[in-house]
Amino acid sequence: EAGVVQSPRYKIIEKKQPVAFWCNPISGHNTLYWYLQNLGQGPELLIRYENEEAVDDSQLPKDRFSAERLKGVDSTLKIQPAKLEDSAVYLCASSLEGQLSYEQYFGPGTRLTVT
Amino acid sequence: GDSVTQMEGPVTLSEEAFLTINCTYTATGYPSLFWYVQYPGEGLQLLLKATKADDKGSNKGFEATYRKETTSFHLEKGSVQVSDSAVYFCALSDQNTDKLIFGTGTRLQVFP
Repeated sequence: EAGVVQSPRYKIIEKKQPVAFWCNPISGHNTLYWYLQNLGQGPELLIRYENEEAVDDSQLPKDRFSAERLKGVDSTLKIQPAKLEDSAVYLCASSLEGQLSYEQYFGPGTRLTVT
Repeated sequence: GDSVTQMEGPVTLSEEAFLTINCTYTATGYPSLFWYVQYPGEGLQLLLKATKADDKGSNKGFEATYRKETTSFHLEKGSVQVSDSAVYFCALSDQNTDKLIFGTGTRLQVFP
């Protein structure tokens, strides 16, 4: 069974440019999470989806970050415009509907470098 | 708010040495506690869990006991292997929101 797929794995952009990350969850997983992991820190939740609905986006900086999961399957996280401090690893995770949060499966992440 | 504090790394050990990675937490209520492991180039994986006081989680030779009196969940392994080299994250699940809160991670390096 394929795990959570994220692309690209690495991205380098200049500040003020837009960037997008893509995540394809495990087949059948209704719940999808995006996390931010700064260097030397643990992951922090940005947004959680149940199917197409964002049920927790309280930690998403909405002035520059946006996310979508239009068909309730794959998801895109966008930053526009990027800032130097956005350099981090962006993790995606998924789980079956109704499962507790610890039962989620993580992707390998996208490492973003903003120069 | 809830938080997790774990020892800074890297922890460097020789193969077959005893491992302890300390983790303490601050939480209201009764959280569940977890250890996750991140191998190079891979996503985080749940290593073990404990859902109530005095529970012991175990997996792959690793153990951790939920100590409510000391608010701790230290990770231990009696004999580490080179293949255990990874970053280990302690985490708790908030009782009310079911949100995972992670520590900063501890890198373990095991040398032959």
